[in-house]
Amino acid sequence: AQTVTQSQPEMSVQEAETVTLSCTYDTSESNYYLFWYKQPPSRQMILVIRQEAYKQQNATENRFSVNFQKAAKSFSLKISDSQLGDTAMYFCAFQTTGANSKLTFGKGITLSVRP
Amino acid sequence: KAGVTQTPRYLIKTRGQQVTLSCSPISGHRSVSWYQQTPGQGLQFLFEYFSETQRNKGNFPGRFSGRQFSNSRSEMNVSTLELGDSALYLCASSRTGALTGELFFGEGSRLTVL
Repeated sequence: AQTVTQSQPEMSVQEAETVTLSCTYDTSESNYYLFWYKQPPSRQMILVIRQEAYKQQNATENRFSVNFQKAAKSFSLKISDSQLGDTAMYFCAFQTTGANSKLTFGKGITLSVRP
Repeated sequence: KAGVTQTPRYLIKTRGQQVTLSCSPISGHRSVSWYQQTPGQGLQFLFEYFSETQRNKGNFPGRFSGRQFSNSRSEMNVSTLELGDSALYLCASSRTGALTGELFFGEGSRLTVL
């Protein structure tokens, strides 16, 4: 069974600074996908960034980038130039590529951006 | 383009009752998946439907069931409600599923069981 661990329940960052959210996972699969989702307060969850395990290059989406360390089974999210609108709960998620794959989420981390 | 719509947004039930939640996906999306979100357990996968067929199922008791209609709208039902079923139930749609397409989530249905 796959597991996703987000060990930090909460983090805080000053506006305009950089913050890194940690995520580790456990799997015996060699091919899979990793995601970071953002859930703002009382708003819909949205996809932030997606990484295919077979790609060595780390995914980047504007101010969001990941540090994917396959051997260490680590998938951290870096948010640069933090903005107040980045305040949200962030979930790391994992999915295998098999026919019966399902999305497994970590428990999430609450990020607060201070003005 | 309308987003994923979930109804009702809030509901209160008592133990032993049953509840039906509805999810209308984005037009053209054939995959609908359901998740239970609680503070203690986080987000847990319930099931996924694709073209009216259940494609995958999480580790929930048989009291939790779902279905998908020909227009891709989906419903989930929880029978014999327990206090522990209190949660935010999220629905997500995509064209083909999480792997090949982005998941679009609804705002959720918040169920309180008294």
